[in-house]
Amino acid sequence: AQSVTQLGSHVSVSEGALVLLRCNYSSSVPPYLFWYVQYPNQGLQLLLKYTSAATLVKGINGFEAEFKKSETSFHLTKPSAHMSDAAEYFCAVMSRGGGADGLTFGKGTHLIIQP
Amino acid sequence: EAGVTQSPTHLIKTRGQQATLRCSPISGHTSVYWYQQALGLGLQFLLWYDEGEERNRGNFPPRFSGRQFPNYSSELNVNALELEDSALYLCATPLGRNTEAFFGQGTRLTVV
Repeated sequence: AQSVTQLGSHVSVSEGALVLLRCNYSSSVPPYLFWYVQYPNQGLQLLLKYTSAATLVKGINGFEAEFKKSETSFHLTKPSAHMSDAAEYFCAVMSRGGGADGLTFGKGTHLIIQP
Repeated sequence: EAGVTQSPTHLIKTRGQQATLRCSPISGHTSVYWYQQALGLGLQFLLWYDEGEERNRGNFPPRFSGRQFPNYSSELNVNALELEDSALYLCATPLGRNTEAFFGQGTRLTVV
């Protein structure tokens, strides 16, 4: 069974500082990996995805993530935080065998931006 | 092209009642996932429908059920509501077999 661990339920950074949200996965084979963002009282919006092409993946709103097989990680970064980045971020995994279980999500990280 | 739409946006029910939530996938797509997002528990996989059939279900009791209609819209039914069923229920359409899913805005179910 696959699983996702997001380190830190809350992360606080200053506006303009580097954002780093951590995600580690557990899977027998490298899965497909995703980062989603959720703003208050809304659904999830896809930020970026890794599907075995380039290991450094660029997404929307200036976010990017790097797939590291040796570390089973897929951390999300953004060089300079903006107030509008304050939201809940979810890392998710889907097995390459298909979507029988849909996406398996981490518990989420609440990103707080300090002015 | 319309995205994933869910209705109602908010629903308030009394313990013991039944709730019905609806989802329309992205036009032309046949699969629908349902997730429950309860406070402190993250997103939990509930059900997967494809081509009108239930393909898989998560670790939820039988009082959580649903169906998919010929137009691929879907309905989630929760019977004998309990306070712990209060959550945001999200519906999603996967674009393909091994690709990302697009989510609706969710239905906020409150059980009092």
